[in-house]
Amino acid sequence: GESVGLHLPTLSVQEGDNSIINCAYSNSASDYFIWYKQESGKGPQFIIDIRSNMDKRQGQRVTVLLNKTVKHLSLQIAATQPGDSAVYFCAENIYNQGGKLIFGQGTELSVKP
Amino acid sequence: DAGVIQSPRHEVTEMGQEVTLRCKPISGHDYLFWYRQTMMRGLELLIYFNNNVPIDDSGMPEDRFSAKMPNASFSNLKIQPSEPRDSAVYFCASSLGTGGRNTEAFFGQGTRLTVV
Repeated sequence: GESVGLHLPTLSVQEGDNSIINCAYSNSASDYFIWYKQESGKGPQFIIDIRSNMDKRQGQRVTVLLNKTVKHLSLQIAATQPGDSAVYFCAENIYNQGGKLIFGQGTELSVKP
Repeated sequence: DAGVIQSPRHEVTEMGQEVTLRCKPISGHDYLFWYRQTMMRGLELLIYFNNNVPIDDSGMPEDRFSAKMPNASFSNLKIQPSEPRDSAVYFCASSLGTGGRNTEAFFGQGTRLTVV
């Protein structure tokens, strides 16, 4: 069996604080990005997306920032709630490679009440 | 629509046995994806189909793995023979297609496979 596991980066925040989750992507040809949330025992679910021609997009309590210069994405969650505790993934779609999404490593967010 | 449906939810099998995982995508979605999730490797894309045709199977780990999509409403992933290192959660996902939000993949609940 596996003797060493991959330890997900973990972010621990107090309920009510803002959370910032970061993601680096590698392919400069990526033109569309999605943040997914995965709760325990479930499949990943869509949170918010952004196209490469934008640098910011806002949703309800969530904001995604895209910096193409350094190939970096961030997800900001305002007023974090216990229900936000989950693993968060960024995913990229590479232009001209069809509809496939490549997922990042993931960050585990833990919200303390 | 009920979303992407996978079966079984859990599978425990002995090393050397054949394992078949099943997926029903969302009706009308042209793309179907098989992902594997482990602590070691995260969420890996194994193979994906467009209009029932395999497009990219470069993520399939070895010849023991095969996937088919005989029609628009069904796909299966087979492992024969299975090995303990195949233990993982296998997700099926589907999407409308390419271009912006069409790329959003909708995931099933996953099949947790344990090979002993």
